[in-house]
Amino acid sequence: AQSVTQPDIHITVSEGASLELRCNYSYGATPYLFWYVQSPGQGLQLLLKYFSGDTLVQGIKGFEAEFKRSQSSFNLRKPSVHWSDAAEYFCAACLYSNTGKLIFGQGTTLQVKP
Amino acid sequence: DAGVIQSPRHEVTEMGQEVTLRCKPISGHDYLFWYRQTMMRGLELLIYFNNNVPIDDSGMPEDRFSAKMPNASFSTLKIQPSEPRDSAVYFCASRGTSFDTQYFGPGTRLTVL
Repeated sequence: AQSVTQPDIHITVSEGASLELRCNYSYGATPYLFWYVQSPGQGLQLLLKYFSGDTLVQGIKGFEAEFKRSQSSFNLRKPSVHWSDAAEYFCAACLYSNTGKLIFGQGTTLQVKP
Repeated sequence: DAGVIQSPRHEVTEMGQEVTLRCKPISGHDYLFWYRQTMMRGLELLIYFNNNVPIDDSGMPEDRFSAKMPNASFSTLKIQPSEPRDSAVYFCASRGTSFDTQYFGPGTRLTVL
């Protein structure tokens, strides 16, 4: 079955430290991949997306993600975390064959220590 | 653009009552999605529409749930009768072309007592 897995439920990093959030997918073919961020009480905002081409994708707020086909992964990174980055992060995937129906991972909650 | 608009933002009701959640998608978007978010199950797709037609309702949990999209600018998700286990945050999202970004509304937090 198609699935998206975020192995880390909760991550705490110090402000200014680097960040990597993990995402793995299980699909028969390479899906389209997305990272969304959800601040408390808010809807989801798209950080970045990967459809094809360059495997290193740049997004908003200084985030980037790297697609690795061999590892079925799409990890999100940021070189220096700010306190405002504290939120929940969701990885999502869809196959072109089902008109973009998104499947979400369980989410990773990021806490930033001062 | 105002983005995806959902109302109400919060809804508290008693078990057995009918609940109607509303969504206005971004103008020009022809896909509309309804999601439910809970701690236990995360984000689940309930149903989605293309050009006002329901395409996939396999995520609708049971017959108590129904969704309509009478026109391109309005959709409803109805729960009748509501139960405490329906308590969740319900999100509406819309999208333009097939592989474009889904834009999410702020959500409706539903509490069924």
